[in-house]
Amino acid sequence: DAGVTQSPTHLIKTRGQQVTLRCSPKSGHDTVSWYQQALGQGPQFIFQYYEEEERQRGNFPDRFSGHQFPNYSSELNVNALLLGDSALYLCASSNSSGASTDTQYFGPGTRLTVL
Amino acid sequence: GQQVMQIPQYQHVQEGEDFTTYCNSSTTLSNIQWYKQRPGGHPVFLIQLVKSGEVKKQKRLTFQFGEAKKNSSLHITATQTTDVGTYFCAVFKAAGNKLTFGGGTRVLVKP
Repeated sequence: DAGVTQSPTHLIKTRGQQVTLRCSPKSGHDTVSWYQQALGQGPQFIFQYYEEEERQRGNFPDRFSGHQFPNYSSELNVNALLLGDSALYLCASSNSSGASTDTQYFGPGTRLTVL
Repeated sequence: GQQVMQIPQYQHVQEGEDFTTYCNSSTTLSNIQWYKQRPGGHPVFLIQLVKSGEVKKQKRLTFQFGEAKKNSSLHITATQTTDVGTYFCAVFKAAGNKLTFGGGTRVLVKP
């Protein structure tokens, strides 16, 4: 039973560039949420995708966008990168139905460094 | 939105000793979840509490939800080096399947 996977594990970009991060949810899960975790802080909710649509969004600018594919995998895109975008980006998957819809499983994360 | 504050921010514990970390809110919480993140790792779900005064145990870990559902605690007995990491509390909001995390308590264990 594969858990949540993310790629790449590490990424270095320069200011102004664009980046795409990828996530494959846990087998049987249909909902993907993205979180940003700055160093020394708790994860902050970016947005969530379900049925290929953005269902909920946190307090992040439009530079952050995403997509969900028919196989439930998801991408997070960040445009016009700023130094402050340097963080660990976590993907979490969950199931929209069943007994534990409130349990989210986190992937290993992508460490993004913006220079 | 619901905000949760965690104290202490850092906890240095001698191996074998007990410690407690706290999660506080100014508003009534519908639930509280606890996660553990090892250094260099990702958050791993530990438990969820939903009932007023609820107490749950996982081996040396005891989780409690306050009677007023405004605070929660995690107590670890006989701390081991494997307990090193950051412990986060988080509130799950059903409308949107969204987790709001506290700032975490970073635990260091002195052997």
